[in-house]
Amino acid sequence: AQSVSQHNHHVILSEAASLELGCNYSYGGTVNLFWYVQYPGQHLQLLLKYFSGDPLVKGIKGFEAEFIKSKFSFNLRKPSVQWSDTAEYFCAVGGSQGNLIFGKGTKLSVKP
Amino acid sequence: NAGVTQTPKFRILKIGQSMTLQCTQDMNHNYMYWYRQDPGMGLKLIYYSVGAGITDKGEVPNGYNVSRSTTEDFPLRLELAAPSQTSVYFCASSYGAPGSNQPQHFGDGTRLSIL
Repeated sequence: AQSVSQHNHHVILSEAASLELGCNYSYGGTVNLFWYVQYPGQHLQLLLKYFSGDPLVKGIKGFEAEFIKSKFSFNLRKPSVQWSDTAEYFCAVGGSQGNLIFGKGTKLSVKP
Repeated sequence: NAGVTQTPKFRILKIGQSMTLQCTQDMNHNYMYWYRQDPGMGLKLIYYSVGAGITDKGEVPNGYNVSRSTTEDFPLRLELAAPSQTSVYFCASSYGAPGSNQPQHFGDGTRLSIL
């Protein structure tokens, strides 16, 4: 069965620190990969997506993610986080058939 | 565009009561989804629909029912509420299936407590 693993449950950083959130998926076929963000009290919003082409994907608010097929990974990065990045981040994979599979999420707390 | 609209935002039910969570979208999306979000568990798919008149079970469908009589609306029904159904429910829609790289648009959620 398809699955998505997010390694970190809760990450705490100071402002201006660099961020990398891990995401690994298990699916051998063609995949479409997504990162969603959920700010406190809000609904999920799309940060970025990968479906083909350049494995380094740039999203909104300075986020980027790199698809590494050999490692089944799609890690999310940001060079310098801000307090406003405090949120929960979800990695998700959509295969060629069926529904979107979400990871359990990583809470990011940024200290001002 | 309003996007995906869910009502109500909050609800408290007694065990055994029934209710319908409403979801409507104005983007003419074919695909619609219902998820539940529990702390530390991410989002679990309850039901989804690929178009009017077509629905299918997701990962956790037990205790729920859905219908899709129009493209716009995708209500979720709880027939006999149980404490295990206490959760935050999100409705989402997309133009195409996840495999077509179309992102999903989410509603603001319904926080449901069963006491």
